[in-house]
Amino acid sequence: DQQVKQNSPSLSVQEGRISILNCDYTNSMFDYFLWYKKYPAEGPTFLISISSIKDKNEDGRFTVFLNKSAKHLSLHIVPSQPGDSAVYFCAASAGGANNLFFGTGTRLTVIP
Amino acid sequence: DGGITQSPKYLFRKEGQNVTLSCEQNLNHDAMYWYRQDPGQGLRLIYYSQIVNDFQKGDIAEGYSVSREKKESFPLTVTSAQKNPTAFYLCASSIGTGPREKLFFGSGTQLSVL
Repeated sequence: DQQVKQNSPSLSVQEGRISILNCDYTNSMFDYFLWYKKYPAEGPTFLISISSIKDKNEDGRFTVFLNKSAKHLSLHIVPSQPGDSAVYFCAASAGGANNLFFGTGTRLTVIP
Repeated sequence: DGGITQSPKYLFRKEGQNVTLSCEQNLNHDAMYWYRQDPGQGLRLIYYSQIVNDFQKGDIAEGYSVSREKKESFPLTVTSAQKNPTAFYLCASSIGTGPREKLFFGSGTQLSVL
C-alpha cells in the first residue's frame, strides 16, 4: 500500500517557467516531508524539507508547500533551468529517518 | 571527498546463488540503510543499522541479510531465498535516525538474475 503517491510520472516545462511537482500522502501521522533529486547513474540527493508545523519552506529557487488538511505537498521550482532535469522523489517521515516513506518519483524535463 | 561508495554498479545472480552488495561510507555517520527500488515503486527499506553490531529489519527484509562489523561498512547479501531479486539497490547513511535527519545516498547497484 503506497502511503506516499506521486501521480505524475513525468513533467515537461520550458526553461524559465515554473515547475510544480505534486505529492499526496495518506498517513496523518507523517510530520516531516522531504524532496530528493536524482540524476541518472547517481544516488538521490536531498533538496528541501518541511515540518508539519509549517505550510511553506523556501530555499532559493525551490519552495515546498504543505497542505495538511488535503494531505498534499508540492515543490515549486522558479525559474526552471535545464540542470533541474532529474527525477524528483517526495518522502514522508513518521518519527525518524528509519521510518521514511518514498513516492514513486516524477521525471522533470526542462526544455531549453 | 566524503561520500558513500557502492559496488559493483551492475551485478548478475544465478539461480540459487547468494550475492553480496558492498556499501562503504567515510562520512562518519552512525546510521546506514539499504533500500530497494523497483520500476513504478518508491524506495522500500530493507534493513537499517543505527550503530555497529546492531541492525533492524525494514519493510521487506525477507531473503536478505546484513552485517555491521565496522562503522564504515554495511554490506547486503541477497540470498537464494529472495525469489525476485532483480531491482536497483541503494545504500544510504545519516548522522543519526532522528526525525529531521537527511539521508545521503550512494549511486546504487543494479542486480539482475541470469
